[in-house]
Amino acid sequence: GQNIDQPTEMTATEGAIVQINCTYQTSGFNGLFWYQQHAGEAPTFLSYNVLDGLEEKGRFSSFLSRSKGYSYLLLKELQMKDSASYLCAVRDRDYKLSFGAGTTVTVRA
Amino acid sequence: GAVVSQHPSWVICKSGTSVKIECRSLDFQATTMFWYRQFPKQSLMLMATSNEGSKATYEQGVEKDKFLINHASLTLSTLTVTSAHPEDSSFYICSARDPLQGDYTEAFFGQGTRLTVV
Repeated sequence: GQNIDQPTEMTATEGAIVQINCTYQTSGFNGLFWYQQHAGEAPTFLSYNVLDGLEEKGRFSSFLSRSKGYSYLLLKELQMKDSASYLCAVRDRDYKLSFGAGTTVTVRA
Repeated sequence: GAVVSQHPSWVICKSGTSVKIECRSLDFQATTMFWYRQFPKQSLMLMATSNEGSKATYEQGVEKDKFLINHASLTLSTLTVTSAHPEDSSFYICSARDPLQGDYTEAFFGQGTRLTVV
């Protein structure tokens, strides 16, 4: 099974940077995903890491260290619309996803 | 990303009735579909995996006789919640995998179906 931990809440100021950490213990690691989820909506795919290192996509970046069982999602130049829940998910070799509990990010003016 | 569509987006039903939720892959053939549910203030939990033409595999704690899954074609899977009770009220979300479409088609979700049982 998978054990995935991420902080419950984070607050940051508009224009700032926030880093959301995710640690995992897994059997059969086959990739890690980050999602954004607004209340009442389905999760939206943000990033995918399967090899160690940093993946950058616009204002969002994601990092993975497989040896440490660690990932982070970096959100730069925060905007009010970035207020949402961010989910870390680990995929196993059967392509099933296990999710962390989610981190609620609140962006303040 | 891979496009998956669910129908309906929301449904309200009476306790004891059955509800069917559809999950369609719109631009690819889904050999495998995954059904998740999300209770309020909680994260997504995998319920079951369905492979086209075969029986679904259910996660521990999910009643297969209550949550009937049919994956009769490469573009459609259905989840039927039988004899629904208020505790089945949840957000049901699907995703689909096509190994020919890239490495992670299953990472893209349908828009979800919010089920409320009254």
